[in-house]
Amino acid sequence: SQQGEEDPQALSIQEGENATMNCSYKTSINNLQWYRQNSGRGLVHLILIRSNEREKHSGRLRVTLDTSKKSSSLLITASRAADTASYFCATERLSNFGNEKLTFGTGTRLTIIP
Amino acid sequence: DAMVIQNPRYQVTQFGKPVTLSCSQTLNHNVMYWYQQKSSQAPKLLFHYYDKDFNNEADTPDNFQSRRPNTSFCFLDIRSPGLGDAAMYLCATSRTVTGAVQYFGPGTRLTVT
Repeated sequence: SQQGEEDPQALSIQEGENATMNCSYKTSINNLQWYRQNSGRGLVHLILIRSNEREKHSGRLRVTLDTSKKSSSLLITASRAADTASYFCATERLSNFGNEKLTFGTGTRLTIIP
Repeated sequence: DAMVIQNPRYQVTQFGKPVTLSCSQTLNHNVMYWYQQKSSQAPKLLFHYYDKDFNNEADTPDNFQSRRPNTSFCFLDIRSPGLGDAAMYLCATSRTVTGAVQYFGPGTRLTVT
């Protein structure tokens, strides 16, 4: 079953605007990660946020995590045409076995209009 | 500088004809993963290796097999490809299974005719 669900499924904005994508998940997690995927390519890691963290920044990226709501958001500020890609959240669930793996959400397709 | 390399980038095979996809890494990571990704869908984990320890996902079809002859290389074998196996196959690596970032290769696009 899908652990992460991104919202919206697709987003188109003008270059220079901010883009916000949301991720909701179902079970308690160790950490949550965001990845970017350009069309026809592999995924690239953006940010990892642990369950005891509420916010992280990396350049123009800002990620928040609300474990009480089981949700996360990815904000890209001052968007550029090169930000056009699909963005996936991935959750690592809590486990007693120590062998959990990432489960990817359905992704948000972001298009930046020059 | 390539860290996770996948060959070939595009593979065409015939229905039922065995095919092997390869992945190599220069990161010396312990863990290697194979994902299947169909159009506009999330990557779906097929299996992973922690060193030589193979971990199959419960819903991975028997048609899919994997080999890891050494730390650097990992192969995905599809014994009898069906039309439904056409997809992007992504290889990834990480230092550990838990709490670690995954590094992905560029993927192999498999077409089944």
